Amino acid sequence: QQKVQQSPESLTVSEGAMASLNCTFSDGTSNNFRWYRQHSAKGLEVLVSIFSDGEKEEGRFTAHLNRANLHVSLHIREPQPSDSAVYLCAVLSSGSWQLIFGSGTQLTVMP
Amino acid sequence: EAAVTQSPRNKVAVTGGKVTLSCNQTNNHNNMYWYRQDTGHGLRLIHYSYGAGSTEKGDIPDGYKASRPSQENFSLILELATPSQTSVYFCASGSTGGINTLYFGAGTRLSVL
Repeated sequence: QQKVQQSPESLTVSEGAMASLNCTFSDGTSNNFRWYRQHSAKGLEVLVSIFSDGEKEEGRFTAHLNRANLHVSLHIREPQPSDSAVYLCAVLSSGSWQLIFGSGTQLTVMP
Repeated sequence: EAAVTQSPRNKVAVTGGKVTLSCNQTNNHNNMYWYRQDTGHGLRLIHYSYGAGSTEKGDIPDGYKASRPSQENFSLILELATPSQTSVYFCASGSTGGINTLYFGAGTRLSVL
């Protein structure tokens, strides 16, 4: 059973400074990883999907995947106060269509 | 545009009562999912479905039933609601072929008193 853990639980950064979020997983055979954002209790917005080791950029959001180290990260370039939200890492479990989520990182961007 | 609609958006129920959460998708996706979200746990999978007529247990199915009467609709049923089921519930749909992307509804906030 895939386990997904995120760190830190909460992160505060200043506007314009890089924000880095981390996610570790237990099953390195997975090849489908996503980062979602959730504002308050609204629905989830997919930010970046990554399927192979290396880097994937979508606008100001960049995901780095290293399956050997069981690690995927999200870097937010020039974060703005409107980026304040909960960020969720998700891993598609190998051999099924189950998406396993981490517990989230609460990001606060100070003006 | 892909759309997943949940109803109701907010629900207050009494302990022991029956609650039905509904989800409708216009994406023509085969897969649909029900998650609950609680502080410190992220999203946890309750039930999912591969298509009309199918329901599968997720990670935390106890106390919940699911129904998939059609491609478009997927319901989550709490036959005897308990306060521990107070949570925010998310429905999602996704395709089976190629790269899977889940589309989420806006969520249903359920309070069981």
